[in-house]
Amino acid sequence: DAKTTQPNSMESNEEEPVHLPCNHSTISGTDYIHWYRQLPSQGPEYVIHGLTSNVNNRMASLAIAEDRKSSTLILHRATLRDAAVYYCILKREGSQGNLIFGKGTKLSVKP
Amino acid sequence: NAGVTQTPKFRVLKTGQSMTLLCAQDMNHEYMYWYRQDPGMGLRLIHYSVGEGTTAKGEVPDGYNVSRLKKQNFLLGLESAAPSQTSVYFCASSKLAGGPYEQYFGPGTRLTVT
Repeated sequence: DAKTTQPNSMESNEEEPVHLPCNHSTISGTDYIHWYRQLPSQGPEYVIHGLTSNVNNRMASLAIAEDRKSSTLILHRATLRDAAVYYCILKREGSQGNLIFGKGTKLSVKP
Repeated sequence: NAGVTQTPKFRVLKTGQSMTLLCAQDMNHEYMYWYRQDPGMGLRLIHYSVGEGTTAKGEVPDGYNVSRLKKQNFLLGLESAAPSQTSVYFCASSKLAGGPYEQYFGPGTRLTVT
């Protein structure tokens, strides 16, 4: 499975936008880009996913580079509740479906 | 919809004891997974199931067994617990396995083996 690289940690101020980067230079054509987050003492929570085009949902936006070798998760207005570890994961079409978690990016949000 | 639920939430075992963790989902999902998460680490796959009556090994299956007798339930068993199995265990389910399908996770079971 292709690997992703994320910064270990990031900080944001409350009510400001947050851009969480992810590099996946060895991505294959059938890999979907998934983002999950894990709040303290909780299970991971699905955030968003995409293949080639940018995606928006009620939680966040996903911007995918044209060559698909990187992507950015965008939280439009960070709240204290968004403080979590964010995982960028590549999920291959036709795979057994399990998610391969790295260490993710720990996002801190300051009031 | 309860989503994915896990029982129990916490458990302390002595070395050599056995226990079963129960995962239940009410979304009619085909695929179910058991992961473990050690401090400061990402989740690692223990076993998974692609449908009722089928199970398969994941990345770290040693010391665990699983069963999926009913579509909605996925059980994880520890026959003889060891301190190395102290961890937080998460169950997940998904409609199908392919790229676009997201997984839904339970709240976790925190297990300590002394």
